[in-house]
Amino acid sequence: GQNIDQPTEMTATEGAIVQINCTYQTSGFNGLFWYQQHAGEAPTFLSYNVLDGLEEKGRFSSFLSRSKGYSYLLLKELQMKDSASYLCALWGAGNMLTFGGGTRLMVKP
Amino acid sequence: NAGVTQTPKFQVLKTGQSMTLQCAQDMNHEYMSWYRQDPGMGLRLIHYSVGAGITDQGEVPNGYNVSRSTTEDFPLRLLSAAPSQTSVYFCASSSYGDRHGYTFGSGTRLTVV
Repeated sequence: GQNIDQPTEMTATEGAIVQINCTYQTSGFNGLFWYQQHAGEAPTFLSYNVLDGLEEKGRFSSFLSRSKGYSYLLLKELQMKDSASYLCALWGAGNMLTFGGGTRLMVKP
Repeated sequence: NAGVTQTPKFQVLKTGQSMTLQCAQDMNHEYMSWYRQDPGMGLRLIHYSVGAGITDQGEVPNGYNVSRSTTEDFPLRLLSAAPSQTSVYFCASSSYGDRHGYTFGSGTRLTVV
C-alpha cells in the first residue's frame, strides 16, 4: 500500500514564502502531483514531478526526492487567494492517484 | 468543452434510500474515477474504470456500485444510503499518462439523514 503524510494546517503571511511538505512510503510510483483545492470547489492541477529535482512554475515550485520519500510545494509572494487546501498525490499503477490528507493553508494580511 | 460534469450538486437522502450520482466527460478520457472527500481524510477512491465495460473497486467500495457502458458516462449508485455515506463526492477523468493527472468534476455534496 501507500502512506502519504502532510501537515493538516499551516498559516502564513501575505507576501511571504511557505513550504508545504509531503512524505510518503510506497513500493513504487510513476510521479507525484500537487493539486490546489479552494473551499467548496474541485481540486485543480498545480504541478507534477516525475524526476528528482525542482519544477518551477511562476510563484509555485515543487520538489521531489525519491530516495528520501519526500516532496514539497513552495509558494512565493503569497496572496490572499492562495488560501486553500493543497493535496499531494502519488500516481501509481493503472493510472491511479492516491491522495494524502491535504494541507489547509491560511494566508493572513 | 464542458470537461467533467456531475449532477446533482447537492442531495439529501433518508437512510435506506437509493440514488445515482451522475458523471459525464466530453474529453474522450479512458480513465474515470469516483472519490469521496471527508474532513481530515483527503480523497479516497471508491471505484474506477479503465475503459467502457471495465470497472474495479478502489479503497472504499462498500455500499456503492458503478457501471461504464459508454466512454463518456460513469454513474455511481448508492444502494441503500447510510449516514456514514454523508460526504462530498468527486468524479474525475484522465487519459493514460496525462501529466496533468485527473480533471475533476465540481462535486456532489450528499447528506444522509
